[in-house]
Amino acid sequence: EAAVTQSPRNKVTVTGGNVTLSCRQTNSHNYMYWYRQDTGHGLRLIHYSYGAGNLQIGDVPDGYKATRTTQEDFFLLLELASPSQTSLYFCASSDPGQGNSDYTFGSGTRLLVI
Amino acid sequence: GDQVEQSPSALSLHEGTGSALRCNFTTTMRAVQWFRKNSRGSLINLFYLASGTKENGRLKSAFDSKERYSTLHIRDAQLEDSGTYFCAEGGNMGYKLTFGTGTSLLVDP
Repeated sequence: EAAVTQSPRNKVTVTGGNVTLSCRQTNSHNYMYWYRQDTGHGLRLIHYSYGAGNLQIGDVPDGYKATRTTQEDFFLLLELASPSQTSLYFCASSDPGQGNSDYTFGSGTRLLVI
Repeated sequence: GDQVEQSPSALSLHEGTGSALRCNFTTTMRAVQWFRKNSRGSLINLFYLASGTKENGRLKSAFDSKERYSTLHIRDAQLEDSGTYFCAEGGNMGYKLTFGTGTSLLVDP
């Protein structure tokens, strides 16, 4: 059973549209992350959170908002979608201080902005 | 900021052969991780190394923090090994990762 579940799997929206990507984790991890993956760039961190109500800015935050409503749920918001935000989005969770890495990724959400 | 240079960008192997992927880091890293994105799009956690080497089946990874590089060796490649492999620095405290640009591996019969 997937420990990090993303929805939707695929999404098409128009330029200027409003999009919400959802992520739920059942790992009881404190940290959750949103990355985007584009050809030639690997994965780049958009936003992350270390607990409910917390939000930290990542490396490519422009045009994105995020909200962590519970320990399990982390949402990525695109309020005015642009074609440059066409990408594959990954959510992940982890728990610091374990002395090892238990990074767990979701299966990704493919977003197309036309 | 920190950068991770990954090579090669693409690799083609015949079944049963092997090769190595490499990541170079611009600064001293505390740890490296290796992931594979499979055909379903899921990112699978292969290795986490703070130093030394680790082996799992036909995969072996090494990390030299002083020389600032890590390698992932694949031996006896199988068709199901095809996918995109990423290295990433960080994660020692489960924190944010900086990824390499990926290696697209195709294993053919």
